Amino acid sequence: QSALTQPRSVSGSPGQSVTISCTGTSSDVGRYDYVSWYQHHPGKVPKVMIYDVSKRPSGVPDRFSGSKSGNTASLTVSGLQAEDEADYYCCSFAGGYNFVFGTGTTVTVL
Amino acid sequence: QVQVVESGGGVVQPGRSLRLSCAASGFPFSNHPMHWVRQAPGKGLERVAVIPHDGSNEQYADSVKGRFTISRDNSKNTAFLQMNSLRDEDTAVYFCAWGPDYYFAYWGQGTLVTVSS
Repeated sequence: QSALTQPRSVSGSPGQSVTISCTGTSSDVGRYDYVSWYQHHPGKVPKVMIYDVSKRPSGVPDRFSGSKSGNTASLTVSGLQAEDEADYYCCSFAGGYNFVFGTGTTVTVL
Repeated sequence: QVQVVESGGGVVQPGRSLRLSCAASGFPFSNHPMHWVRQAPGKGLERVAVIPHDGSNEQYADSVKGRFTISRDNSKNTAFLQMNSLRDEDTAVYFCAWGPDYYFAYWGQGTLVTVSS
């Protein structure tokens, strides 16, 4: 199972929006509505920000939103804040007990 | 309150073995699959192994297949990762993770494994 493809980095100024893409295949992202997104600050524990493509766990700001079209999922962070600077990983269910992570994207707040 | 705590990491020479443990509480452990996810230095997240709730049909990433074995003891709410024939590229922080559905809702703090001579 190959890793899902994400841009290496994206950046934006405070208050702006950034969108991170996550491209998989018809066997994972395209087949299941089970894409999740994780925020990972170096040295910390990954935190789920979005699950089931577009659902937000309790406590996650509504500035974070997710969507999917075909084999590509997206995470949008609106109203960018300094604390949003982190690495972000998408992850897709791929059948059975299989999950595949994305390559990771570093979000920089300018 | 859900808790997941890994232990067993350390420094080990290439070719040697190490066993990681994952102690869980606060949820019906025996009802859920458990996963090990790792992050090597400067690299992304990689799901290395999963064990179903009943311990059958465990699955592995190609990078560790034949060298790592995942197991669980439902009576002790603990999962394990036996790592044999360790390589330099196995150096990573290893996380234990689970979720009630198709995502990883809960993660442990991670345990660092360093493979070095």
